[in-house]
Amino acid sequence: SYELTQPLSVSVALGQTARITCGGNNIGSKNVHWYQQKPGQAPVLVIYRDSNRPSGIPERFSGSNSGNTATLTISRAQAGDEADYYCQVWDSSTAVFGGGTKLTVL
Amino acid sequence: QVQLQESGPGLVKPSQTLSLTCTVSGGSISSGGYYWSWIRQHPGKGLEWIGYIYYSGSTYYNPSLKSRVTISVDTSKNQFSLKLSSVTAADTAVYYCARGPYYYDYWGQGTLVTVSS
Repeated sequence: SYELTQPLSVSVALGQTARITCGGNNIGSKNVHWYQQKPGQAPVLVIYRDSNRPSGIPERFSGSNSGNTATLTISRAQAGDEADYYCQVWDSSTAVFGGGTKLTVL
Repeated sequence: QVQLQESGPGLVKPSQTLSLTCTVSGGSISSGGYYWSWIRQHPGKGLEWIGYIYYSGSTYYNPSLKSRVTISVDTSKNQFSLKLSSVTAADTAVYYCARGPYYYDYWGQGTLVTVSS
């Protein structure tokens, strides 16, 4: 089965740029989607199909995908961005999620 | 604005069947184009996809749960449901319903189901 690998945690200084990676075999050939989840809340879609933002998601959130790594980039990080982030792809008619990355804003 | 809401018992005994329903408002399941899914999250853990159903009734399940999962749809009530049989403590989780396909743009708030005697 297809596996997605995310770092357990990423830290970023307030106002700086955070990058969260999602690794998978030839993930660049797949569409990658990203979710933000704050404690006690349902996940929220922040990036779909590698680099598209749903309406209402700030331009500070962007995504890229190439080779074996997809990346979620959060520019000008704010305290409110502190959350868990999950990547997701489809493989063999199955949705696969990464293990999640806890983003801490210092 | 599409909204999803899970409902069902919060406590299920081991070996019994977990049953949850997701009610969709602000859009019709019958309109097609979307896969209605169940996703769960074990306490303090990541997300696990359970399966989906299309309005026509076609389904696809996570192979790791396939033998115990049934997802059904009631278009007249704009609802879809999850049944997970022979539950154990390992099935204790927050269960979410969500709208797909491919990516999940609308989610329910989630409901915690605890498996315990």
